[in-house]
Amino acid sequence: NAGVTQTPKFQVLKTGQSMTLQCAQDMNHEYMSWYRQDPGMGLRLIHYSVGAGITDQGEVPNGYNVSRSTTEDFPLRLLSAAPSQTSVYFCASRSGNTIYFGEGSWLTVV
Amino acid sequence: GENVEQHPSTLSVQEGDSAVIKCTYSDSASNYFPWYKQELGKRPQLIIDIRSNVGEKKDQRIAVTLNKTAKHFSLHITETQPEDSAVYFCAASNPLAGGTSYGKLTFGQGTILTVHP
Repeated sequence: NAGVTQTPKFQVLKTGQSMTLQCAQDMNHEYMSWYRQDPGMGLRLIHYSVGAGITDQGEVPNGYNVSRSTTEDFPLRLLSAAPSQTSVYFCASRSGNTIYFGEGSWLTVV
Repeated sequence: GENVEQHPSTLSVQEGDSAVIKCTYSDSASNYFPWYKQELGKRPQLIIDIRSNVGEKKDQRIAVTLNKTAKHFSLHITETQPEDSAVYFCAASNPLAGGTSYGKLTFGQGTILTVHP
């Protein structure tokens, strides 16, 4: 199993640009989520999904969209990038209480 | 909602010393408390966890203690080694929150542990 894979690993965006962070898992987990990690803030939940066709907002959803058309994929879209969205993004899937993180995506918005 | 406070934010120790990181949580319904280790540039990985029906759990050099009454739990690392240097996150899981059967997992702010050789 590859686990949770996310792309790209690094990205630089200009303010106002849009982009999609891709995430896929091959463990057949129903629950998937996106976190952002900022210094001193821990891991904050952006959006999550408990199954195909079901998504919901987490703690910091503004400026982000998600969709879940299949069990495997959970892309995160930045609609109009802002410098405040400069962060490290982690996709994760979950089985029970166990979270499996992707390798992270380092995003810089200039 | 749940609030998890983690202290200290940075911790520097000499190799061989012990390190202790403490977390407090606010929601008494939380019943699962994992700890994650994140090495520089890597993903967080689960290193140990404890459930609310247990007061202490050990795994080699690491241990976690839980005080349900006081709503705090701690990570203890003994005989620290340079490879223990990382960011450590605590978390608390409330099975009754979040509106789904998965409950809600809330992370602490993280502790940067540096072990000096």
